[in-house]
Amino acid sequence: TQLLEQSPQFLSIQEGENLTVYCNSSSVFSSLQWYRQEPGEGPVLLVTVVTGGEVKKLKRLTFQFGDARKDSSLHITAAQPGDTGLYLCADGRFNKFYFGSGTKLNVKP
Amino acid sequence: SAVISQKPSRDICQRGTSLTIQCQVDSQVTMMFWYRQQPGQSLTLIATANQGSEATYESGFVIDKFPISRPNLTFSTLTVSNMSPEDSSIYLCSVVTGQGSNYEQYFGPGTRLTVT
Repeated sequence: TQLLEQSPQFLSIQEGENLTVYCNSSSVFSSLQWYRQEPGEGPVLLVTVVTGGEVKKLKRLTFQFGDARKDSSLHITAAQPGDTGLYLCADGRFNKFYFGSGTKLNVKP
Repeated sequence: SAVISQKPSRDICQRGTSLTIQCQVDSQVTMMFWYRQQPGQSLTLIATANQGSEATYESGFVIDKFPISRPNLTFSTLTVSNMSPEDSSIYLCSVVTGQGSNYEQYFGPGTRLTVT
């Protein structure tokens, strides 16, 4: 059984700070997705990465996929209160998706 | 893209009763899923809703407890049967569009269930 661990579990920072959250798998990812979920809503897909070593940028968000495809990081530059939410990584394999434990981010104004 | 609606958005139910949650998509999709999310926690896949055949359940979830219907490519229901307080959770449906590495998963807003 694959385990997807995310760290840290909770993160509370001031507006303008930078942060990095991590996703580690006990086995190789088939493909990795990052989502953000705001209270009362479903998760929203941020990015999909499939190639080891891949780096993708989405405005102030930078996603890195480890060379061995067993880990990933999400770096946010100059965090804003609108970045507040639950960040989830997920592995898509055999047409199913299994989610990590999540990182709850709170950005204070 | 896909737009998904769920009904009800929330409900408070008594133990021993059943609740059916509806999921409607604005386009035809092959892959549809049901998840459970306890407040503040991550998502756990319950089952894949297959159109025209029985749902495929993940380990720990059974059809008698969570019967699923998928009568067509735009609609599915999940029933939470014989509820207990441990079933209090957010239930989400999702669909996947695209193929190969160019797929995207879209979620409904969720149904918040409280069992008393």
